[in-house]
Amino acid sequence: KAGVTQTPRYLIKTRGQQVTLSCSPISGHRSVSWYQQTPGQGLQFLFEYFSETQRNKGNFPGRFSGRQFSNSRSEMNVSTLELGDSALYLCASLGLAGSGIEQFFGPGTRLTVL
Amino acid sequence: KQEVTQIPAALSVPEGENLVLNCSFTDSAIYNLQWFRQDPGKGLTSLLLIQSSQREQTSGRLNASLDKSSGRSTLYIAASQPGDSATYLCAVAPLDSNYQLIWGAGTKLIIKP
Repeated sequence: KAGVTQTPRYLIKTRGQQVTLSCSPISGHRSVSWYQQTPGQGLQFLFEYFSETQRNKGNFPGRFSGRQFSNSRSEMNVSTLELGDSALYLCASLGLAGSGIEQFFGPGTRLTVL
Repeated sequence: KQEVTQIPAALSVPEGENLVLNCSFTDSAIYNLQWFRQDPGKGLTSLLLIQSSQREQTSGRLNASLDKSSGRSTLYIAASQPGDSATYLCAVAPLDSNYQLIWGAGTKLIIKP
């Protein structure tokens, strides 16, 4: 089974631009979560989508948005980019593992805002 | 509100030593606890997942324990090697979270040859 894939892996943008990141979960997984990792704040939960609906949301401004398609692929959009949005963005899909339910992480998209 | 703390923030030990990394959490109402490894500039590698009903999990030289009542988990690394150098993160999935993870800040481990 293929793992979680994220595209692109690296991205450089300038302040004020917008960006869209993509995540394809493991086949059969219907939940996709997004996390942001920065040196200052560590790993923080952005939001989760399940069956095309946002089910959970973290404490991020409205510039951060997402959506999920019928094939469970998810996109995350950040508008009006700020320098502080430079981070590693990780997505994870939720599914059954050997001993229970587990989040499986993709390799991440590293976003640099100049 | 669930909070996860990892101590120490950094650790440097000679190769070959056995070592313990600590993780504590404030609310015992969790689905599971997971340990990850992260190499510089890279993504996350899942090491061990402990369900709330379990006390420990083992994989090779790694052993993770969970004491839910005291809100503690330890990651034991036996016979450390330079290749173990990385940041180790623990995360818990609170019961009211749909398995969303709350993260510790990590322990940066350096194994000196």
